[in-house]
Amino acid sequence: DTGVSQDPRHKITKRGQNVTFRCDPISEHNRLYWYRQTLGQGPEFLTYFQNEAQLEKSRLLSDRFSAERPKGSFSTLEIQRTEQGDSAMYLCASSPKTSIDVNEQFFGPGTRLTVL
Amino acid sequence: AQSVSQHNHHVILSEAASLELGCNYSYGGTVNLFWYVQYPGQHLQLLLKYFSGDPLVKGIKGFEAEFIKSKFSFNLRKPSVQWSDTAEYFCAVLLDTDKLIFGTGTRLQVFP
Repeated sequence: DTGVSQDPRHKITKRGQNVTFRCDPISEHNRLYWYRQTLGQGPEFLTYFQNEAQLEKSRLLSDRFSAERPKGSFSTLEIQRTEQGDSAMYLCASSPKTSIDVNEQFFGPGTRLTVL
Repeated sequence: AQSVSQHNHHVILSEAASLELGCNYSYGGTVNLFWYVQYPGQHLQLLLKYFSGDPLVKGIKGFEAEFIKSKFSFNLRKPSVQWSDTAEYFCAVLLDTDKLIFGTGTRLQVFP
């Protein structure tokens, strides 16, 4: 399967703990995006990378959230001191910026986080 | 602020019925518009997209959408739905900054 992959698929944690999610984009894609989706809502943009550079961060991304893409390939999203309000599906997407097809984003299966 | 509105939150149809899902966006710049679909237990998949040119775009599985600039709309249509179309449908607009703004989604249930 050459699609976007995410790990883990499910994470249950206690409030106050730190969690880290991983996203592996489609190999030739240089743009990588993180979104968050809560029940009954559409995905909301969190941040995105062009290669290893983080180009934009949403105001939704508080100081407890940090994302990295150290080598321009996979990315990690860390949430420190989790709160119950962080419970959501965290989606990763990638796109080939240089494609003539303007930035179609391909989504992974998501990581569902439950904070108890 | 830029936003996308989907007015139908839950639609229930019988097989062979026609479908139209509404999508309106609020954004003054050049728009690139998408419909994504999420089948039960699966990830988001692109259904169709509009970048420029013919405002009537055709996607996979017999879906089409029409971009009406004057109405800021991008409604999704299918003349005859099937049980396998049961899914959640999301309209999205791509901003100049390359981030997608999604609507809240429409849950479609099709009964045989």
